[in-house]
Amino acid sequence: EAQVTQNPRYLITVTGKKLTVTCSQNMNHEYMSWYRQDPGLGLRQIYYSMNVEVTDKGDVPEGYKVSRKEKRNFPLILESPSPNQTSLYFCASTGTSGTYEQYFGPGTRLTVT
Amino acid sequence: AQSVAQPEDQVNVAEGNPLTVKCTYSVSGNPYLFWYVQYPNRGLQFLLKYITGDNLVKGSYGFEAEFNKSQTSFHLKKPSALVSDSALYFCAVRSLSGGSYIPTFGRGTSLIVHP
Repeated sequence: EAQVTQNPRYLITVTGKKLTVTCSQNMNHEYMSWYRQDPGLGLRQIYYSMNVEVTDKGDVPEGYKVSRKEKRNFPLILESPSPNQTSLYFCASTGTSGTYEQYFGPGTRLTVT
Repeated sequence: AQSVAQPEDQVNVAEGNPLTVKCTYSVSGNPYLFWYVQYPNRGLQFLLKYITGDNLVKGSYGFEAEFNKSQTSFHLKKPSALVSDSALYFCAVRSLSGGSYIPTFGRGTSLIVHP
């Protein structure tokens, strides 16, 4: 089954404690991206990657890091989380051929206290 | 730069009535246009897309959308709404003319279908 998986689904942490949210896709897609969703602001892109070792900033990259060492994985790293990073996070992937729609993971709800 | 506007934060409709969720876009060159739906506590699911061809595209769950190039719009429609259609709907656009394959999303429109 084609899917994007994210872990963990829920995370409560404290300010300053480094965390990583994993994302993995099994569709051999070149493009992957991270979004955060906040009430009234919709989906905002954090980072995206066009292929292995190729990443770029989205609209709201401050406070986040990503890496793309393998095609299937695209982890999101918060080196020093702050309360304003409390949000719902989605990973997505897209192929470069075919129908171009994005496949989304189930989301990670992060609370930083 | 590409952008999407969904002018309505919320749309209310009675079950059985037709529904429209509005979307306008701005992009360089020709657009790829998408609609996604998000049910409570779920990720986004693809509904339908316009790439080229017929201006009226049909998608999942009985939804359709009409591409209007002169008005730069891609409104989502359904002839007869169901209570189960209540969800958050996102419009997205990306340009055909190269660059990133990552689309830009609108802020979302909450559709509420009343029994």
